[in-house]
Amino acid sequence: DIQMTQSPSTLSASVGDRVTITCRASQNINTWLAWYQQKPGKAPKVLIYKASSLESGVPSRFSGSGSGTEFTLTISSLQPDDFATYYCQQYNTYFSFGQGTKLEIK
Amino acid sequence: EAQLLESGGGLVQPGGSLRLSCAASGFTFSSYAMSWVRQAPGRGLEWVSSISGAGDSTYYADSVKGRFTISRDNSKNTLYLQMNSLSAEDTAVYYCAKRPLAPGAYYFDCWGQGTLVTVSS
Repeated sequence: DIQMTQSPSTLSASVGDRVTITCRASQNINTWLAWYQQKPGKAPKVLIYKASSLESGVPSRFSGSGSGTEFTLTISSLQPDDFATYYCQQYNTYFSFGQGTKLEIK
Repeated sequence: EAQLLESGGGLVQPGGSLRLSCAASGFTFSSYAMSWVRQAPGRGLEWVSSISGAGDSTYYADSVKGRFTISRDNSKNTLYLQMNSLSAEDTAVYYCAKRPLAPGAYYFDCWGQGTLVTVSS
């Protein structure tokens, strides 16, 4: 099984900040990685797929990078709507998710 | 616009069974592989099971293999999850989700609102 590890688990930031979340895979997953945003009581929403491709309708302040075992999600300038929990997911071999990163208001 | 609507969740005793349904609309259901993903209260996301568009290939997480069965009825645009031998560890919100059609696109681009399954005596 491929294990996905996100860091940090919690991130405190302010509106306008640039933030980066890291996701590490336990083995090479090429670029078969997606990022999701989830708000309390809601289903996840895909932001990024194939490590760096922006899903249609997602604001351009979100970006993804990486390949192999290390990946990042960057939000260039935090907006009030961005405070949520973020998950990475590998789809190289079946599916597995990171444990999540909660982005909180500082 | 693709939409997914789960139903069938509820309270069930340990060792019991439950069948979840997911009604799909807004897309050609039979063309898309479908999946179930769950989320225990206050926890992260866990993939449960997937099924091909034709229904002839199924896949399960080790945690549910032998207890859960995924199926679909393409004539009714509906996905199912039969859950047997339930335990407290199966308590979660269960989401159905679809993947895009593009080759290699095994992520989830549309999710239902989820249905809560609680296993407790």
